[in-house]
Amino acid sequence: GQQVMQIPQYQHVQEGEDFTTYCNSSTTLSNIQWYKQRPGGHPVFLIQLVKSGEVKKQKRLTFQFGEAKKNSSLHITATQTTDVGTYFCAGLNYGQNFVFGPGTRLSVLP
Amino acid sequence: GAVVSQHPSWVICKSGTSVKIECRSLDFQATTMFWYRQFPKQSLMLMATSNEGSKATYEQGVEKDKFLINHASLTLSTLTVTSAHPEDSSFYICSASSGLSNQPQHFGDGTRLSIL
Repeated sequence: GQQVMQIPQYQHVQEGEDFTTYCNSSTTLSNIQWYKQRPGGHPVFLIQLVKSGEVKKQKRLTFQFGEAKKNSSLHITATQTTDVGTYFCAGLNYGQNFVFGPGTRLSVLP
Repeated sequence: GAVVSQHPSWVICKSGTSVKIECRSLDFQATTMFWYRQFPKQSLMLMATSNEGSKATYEQGVEKDKFLINHASLTLSTLTVTSAHPEDSSFYICSASSGLSNQPQHFGDGTRLSIL
């Protein structure tokens, strides 16, 4: 079946440093979504990517969908303590439900 | 907008008890609701998908007689953990989406279930 992997599993950064998490699917995806879960909270939808090679930005966050639609990345520029949390990607495999990756847990040291 | 309410937020009960968890979409019609289980510091494990008015679709390995799901209306889905045992202790979280399968999922706050 479809597998979605994320690296790294954990990332500790100093406030102000950049951060990137990578998402890889074993199959070609129709869409990919990114979610953020703060400690003790529930996942919150960030963005959806649909097109091959698509790049979207939300303030300091940049999301990219690979040309082959099998991988994606989330890059945060100049991290802040408010960026702390677990970032999940979720890949949709053409008509099926989204499969969540294991997440990348980000810690930001002040 | 897109608020999902999940109740209760925390349940502690004795082994053998059945526990019902409610998931409500407050300001939109949820065509599809999803039920997940999340272990500490781990990802979301999809248990089942329910569409309003039809039987839930369970993921492989999830016992449908153990985890009863009802999606009676476009704003309410329930998960009942029947005859719960300590190994059922977990964080259960629902999400809801409207329309097609590529729509964002809006999550409830989750229910922490502790079985003694």
